[in-house]
Amino acid sequence: AQTVTQSQPEMSVQEAETVTLSCTYDTSESDYYLFWYKQPPSRQMILVIRQEAYKQQNATENRFSVNFQKAAKSFSLKISDSQLGDAAMYFCAYRSYAGGTSYGKLTFGQGTILTVHP
Amino acid sequence: NAGVTQTPKFRVLKTGQSMTLLCAQDMNHEYMYWYRQDPGMGLRLIHYSVGEGTTAKGEVPDGYNVSRLKKQNFLLGLESAAPSQTSVYFCASSDQLTNEKLFFGSGTQLSVL
Repeated sequence: AQTVTQSQPEMSVQEAETVTLSCTYDTSESDYYLFWYKQPPSRQMILVIRQEAYKQQNATENRFSVNFQKAAKSFSLKISDSQLGDAAMYFCAYRSYAGGTSYGKLTFGQGTILTVHP
Repeated sequence: NAGVTQTPKFRVLKTGQSMTLLCAQDMNHEYMYWYRQDPGMGLRLIHYSVGEGTTAKGEVPDGYNVSRLKKQNFLLGLESAAPSQTSVYFCASSDQLTNEKLFFGSGTQLSVL
């Protein structure tokens, strides 16, 4: 079974600064997907960014980017120019490829609470 | 467009009571899921469905039952609630076209006393 570990229960950053959230995972599979989800106080789960394991290029979405190290099984999220609206719980998640039949069965990390200071 | 709607949003039960959580999606998605979120543990998959009339167990299925009688609805039942089932429950849906993106409901806060 796959496991996802987020070793930082809480992180804080000053507005306009950059912060990196860490995530490691354990798997014996070669094809899979990795995700970062944001959960603000409203509880809504929002997809921030996703990475396909077969792609060597790191995914980026505006101010959000990842550092995907497949050999090290590491998948960190970098938030640049942090904004007050970025304050939330962030979850790292893993999904097997499994020939496309793994559907939406995600394995989540424990979450990291991000505080943004003005 | 409503997306994924969960009812109720909050519920308090006494130990041994039963209840059903309803999830409805209006995106014609094939796949639907129930997750529970507990502090320090992230979200864990309870049950899922890959189509109308089908269900399957996830990571933590014990104490729960599900049904998918209609494509747009996925019901999660607790036959005899226990304090260990106090949690936030999330429903999600996806399909083959959006399989890398789950659409989540806003969650149900359930407390079992």
